[in-house]
Amino acid sequence: DAGVTQSPTHLIKTRGQHVTLRCSPISGHKSVSWYQQVLGQGPQFIFQYYEKEERGRGNFPDRFSARQFPNYSSELNVNALLLGDSALYLCASNLYAQETQYFGPGTRLLVL
Amino acid sequence: DAKTTQPPSMDCAEGRAANLPCNHSTISGNEYVYWYRQIHSQGPQYIIHGLKNNETNEMASLIITEDRKSSTLILPHATLRDTAVYYCIADNAGNNRKLIWGLGTSLAVNP
Repeated sequence: DAGVTQSPTHLIKTRGQHVTLRCSPISGHKSVSWYQQVLGQGPQFIFQYYEKEERGRGNFPDRFSARQFPNYSSELNVNALLLGDSALYLCASNLYAQETQYFGPGTRLLVL
Repeated sequence: DAKTTQPPSMDCAEGRAANLPCNHSTISGNEYVYWYRQIHSQGPQYIIHGLKNNETNEMASLIITEDRKSSTLILPHATLRDTAVYYCIADNAGNNRKLIWGLGTSLAVNP
């Protein structure tokens, strides 16, 4: 079975630009979460969505937004990119909101 | 801040058991202890989780102390492919779920 997939795998943007990252959960999973991981740190929670509704939000500015579609895939949007947004962005899916999360390979974003 | 603390690094000889400790003295009664590992900045890989009882699966064993203030992840026969950063996380798995990750333990398995 396919695991969590994310696109693109790598991305280079310049400061001030906007970026959209995509995630497809494991088939049948209804919840998607997003994490940011900067080099040398553990992942930091950004959002959790379940059945298209936001169920949790981490300590990130309003430049970060997300949504979940009827097929349970998800997008993470980041506006007005800063150099500090350079990181590995991870998506995780789980069957129900409370269950074990399984991670995708991540999207590596570099902001110049 | 993370609710868990782990040693920053550990070494283990190939073929020997790797025992990775985690302290979680402020964990709540309804919080699970989850373990993940991350190899070369790939996505984290789920290993095992538990609430009160010891758990075992095909990858590892998890030993949780009776007072739930600490736990140990055991890789029974470590291989070079087990070299990774291991994260111990307290997860309330509730409606307002936020997994808070620390820095993890960098495990080096040596030949």
